[in-house]
Amino acid sequence: QKEVEQNSGPLSVPEGAIASLNCTYSDRVSQSFFWYRQYSGKSPELIMSIYSNGDKEDGRFTAQLNKASQYVSLLIRDSQPSDSATYLCAVKAGANNLFFGTGTRLTVIP
Amino acid sequence: DVKVTQSSRYLVKRTGEKVFLECVQDMDHENMFWYRQDPGLGLRLIYFSYDVKMKEKGDIPEGYSVSREKKERFSLILESASTNQTSMYLCASSSGGPLAIYFGEGSWLTVV
Repeated sequence: QKEVEQNSGPLSVPEGAIASLNCTYSDRVSQSFFWYRQYSGKSPELIMSIYSNGDKEDGRFTAQLNKASQYVSLLIRDSQPSDSATYLCAVKAGANNLFFGTGTRLTVIP
Repeated sequence: DVKVTQSSRYLVKRTGEKVFLECVQDMDHENMFWYRQDPGLGLRLIYFSYDVKMKEKGDIPEGYSVSREKKERFSLILESASTNQTSMYLCASSSGGPLAIYFGEGSWLTVV
């Protein structure tokens, strides 16, 4: 079983809609959870981090964490064409064990 | 802002050549990482270093070595480049603990 699993997509949403990206992980001692955005041909850029159960909001982005269900999600409100990218979920267990999902490709249709 | 700089963005090398990829970070981070990213395979950890002169193998260390002589600099070395090492290479750094890692802009290596 992979440590971090994401639906590879592609996920298509119309401009202005809410995009919902999901991620599950297998290690119950995972401590930290991150979402990275990666545009085609570019490197991953950190957009959200979350460490405790519940929701964390930052502008149009909301990260949700449910440790009991081993589930973390990213909601993008009022999606824009510029949000079209691959979104990587990353889970950290211990100081140096960071596991990445393979990413979900999001397309926002104008 | 965290700055991780990879000096070589695009390289074309011949099979058998020795290749050096350099990475410098300006945030005094203890930890530095080298990943490669290939379509469909995601990010794979090659090596990481948690201190000067210290290194640990990641998931795919074969064919690679690393050097960390100074805290801010972490080099990836391909001793004898092969075509299956054609990839995007990403350097990253972090201050350790539960905190995130930050990536450089990436180095695209083509081995012909």
